[in-house]
Formats: sequence, structure tokens, C-alpha cells
Amino acid sequence: DTGVSQNPRHKITKRGQNVTFRCDPISEHNRLYWYRQTLGQGPEFLTYFQNEAQLEKSRLLSDRFSAERPKGSFSTLEIQRTEQGDSAMYLCASSGQGGTEAFFGQGTRLTVV
Amino acid sequence: GQQLNQSPQSMFIQEGEDVSMNCTSSSIFNTWLWYKQDPGEGPVLLIALYKAGELTSNGRLTAQFGITRKDSFLNISASIPSDVGIYFCAGLVNNDMRFGAGTRLTVKP
Repeated sequence: DTGVSQNPRHKITKRGQNVTFRCDPISEHNRLYWYRQTLGQGPEFLTYFQNEAQLEKSRLLSDRFSAERPKGSFSTLEIQRTEQGDSAMYLCASSGQGGTEAFFGQGTRLTVV
Repeated sequence: GQQLNQSPQSMFIQEGEDVSMNCTSSSIFNTWLWYKQDPGEGPVLLIALYKAGELTSNGRLTAQFGITRKDSFLNISASIPSDVGIYFCAGLVNNDMRFGAGTRLTVKP
């Protein structure tokens, strides 16, 4: 499978715990995006990497959120001290050098109880 | 929050009917993308538009990039039950990709 891969698909955690999600982009893609999606809404931009550099962060990304892409390949999104409002689908997308068509993974659905 | 206005919010149509949805923005975009999302899955890219005025088809789907670069529409002809889902527009400029709130399509057999 050469598409964008996200793990885990589902995560249930207790409030206050830390969680980490992983995204493996399409192998030749140098751009990687993280989005958050709540029920009935479109994806909301969180952050964007070009290779290993994090070039943009949304104001939605509070200091409890951190994303890394250490070698310009896979990326991780960590949420510290989770809150119930963090419950959402977290989507990763990647695009190639042209930066046009972006392809999404299947998402990680986070439920904070 | 969302910067794209997508309409309608939802549509209920009979199988075989044509569907039209659109997206408008106060900002100019260099690329317009249309995605379909099934429940519990990530969005799947349907059509990408790169030039103002461009009209592109993908099977029963046709999309256009507005001349002003601030809008786009998607048409689905002869709808079938598997067209059910949420359709999102996305505008892209300088690696900044923003989404509409989606159009939920229900197709009655």
C-alpha cells in the first residue's frame, strides 16, 4: 500500500493522559499536513512540514500539541494532558514537490473520556 | 476556522438525479480540490483544478475553477447510491490548504 498511513486508527484515553499519533506519508512526498476534524465540520489546519522543517502552525495548536518530522519522512503528533475537547479525528495528508494534490490517510479518531 | 463557504450544507436527492454544489471564498486560491469522505475514513481526492476557468471531469463528476479564482463548483451526474457521503472543497495557495464545511449528500434509491 503506497498511500498515507496513520496509526493508530482509534485511540481512547483518559483525560490528562498523553497520546502520540503517527503518520507515514507517501514515500516521495516532501510536504506533510496535520488537520483536526470534528463532527459535522471540515478539516481544520493544524500544522505543515516541508521535509523536516515545520513551516506553519495554526493558532489551534496549543502548547499541549507538538508535532515532529525528524528525518523528513514519518511524522508524529503528540497531545499532552489531553482534554475532552481534544476528541476529534486527526488527519494527516501529504503532497509532492509541486505542492498541489494532497492525499489523506484514514485518520486517527481520538476519544478522551 | 473555515475560510471557504460551501453550499448547500446537505442534499437529499433521488437516484439518477444530477447534483450541484459550490464553494466560495473571499480569498484567491491557486488550486481547488474536491474530496469525498465516508464515515470514519479520511477524505479521498476526486478532482484537482489548477487554472482559473478550468473545467475538469472524472467520470460522472465535473468541476470548474472559477474565473475569479475565488470559487469552484462540483457537479455529479446521474447519481447512484454509492455517491452518498460528505463532499469537501479545498482551496490551496502557497501550501496553505483550507477546507469548506462540507456538503452531505444522501441518495434515495
